[in-house]
Amino acid sequence: GAGVSQSPSNKVTEKGKDVELRCDPISGHTALYWYRQSLGQGLEFLIYFQGNSAPDKSGLPSDRFSAERTGGSVSTLTIQRTQQEDSAVYLCASSYSGGSGRGETQYFGPGTRLLVL
Amino acid sequence: AQSVTQLDSQVPVFEEAPVELRCNYSSSVSVYLFWYVQYPNQGLQLLLKYLSGSTLVESINGFEAEFNKSQTSFHLRKPSVHISDTAEYFCAVSEGTGGFKTIFGAGTRLFVKA
Repeated sequence: GAGVSQSPSNKVTEKGKDVELRCDPISGHTALYWYRQSLGQGLEFLIYFQGNSAPDKSGLPSDRFSAERTGGSVSTLTIQRTQQEDSAVYLCASSYSGGSGRGETQYFGPGTRLLVL
Repeated sequence: AQSVTQLDSQVPVFEEAPVELRCNYSSSVSVYLFWYVQYPNQGLQLLLKYLSGSTLVESINGFEAEFNKSQTSFHLRKPSVHISDTAEYFCAVSEGTGGFKTIFGAGTRLFVKA
């Protein structure tokens, strides 16, 4: 596709419910990143994938958060038993990592705005 | 561990005035440095980046940033701002010897007034 897409664009859920957020990266991009943007908090790194593997999961806030990537393309971020503090914009980005990959530009999606009531 | 500090959360400035957005980082190894920009109602996009070589890097719309290793800084400057530069600016760092993890600062909201 032309850019990174994310769905849904907005999600309102009740506390305790599970949610799934989806990210479609730019075709051919092997690296994929998830961030959380809370009001006034900047971007918080959650996890990144190189292909289908996630070498660094250190940013996931708790064991309620998990992510997977299949076929080296689409990724889903799952939040189980959502809490009000999970309310934020969840951003996905992808980059091409043909060489060492480090220092590559990240291309961001429009984000999913999650509100937990 | 890497960290990024953007010292100013908001910077109001008049049109055609110069501006500097400050960014300091902490890392024990070599780094790659980035400035991303988020215009109102738009997604994040890269403004400029430093990987290696010349410590002064420029963007197509007149911004520049200088990597200062001794001061661990990567301040963003523009000699004359436009109304259209109003946006939120994020400084980011990733370690050259590590993986792909990128740490972002909290952002600086630049507000250009007529």
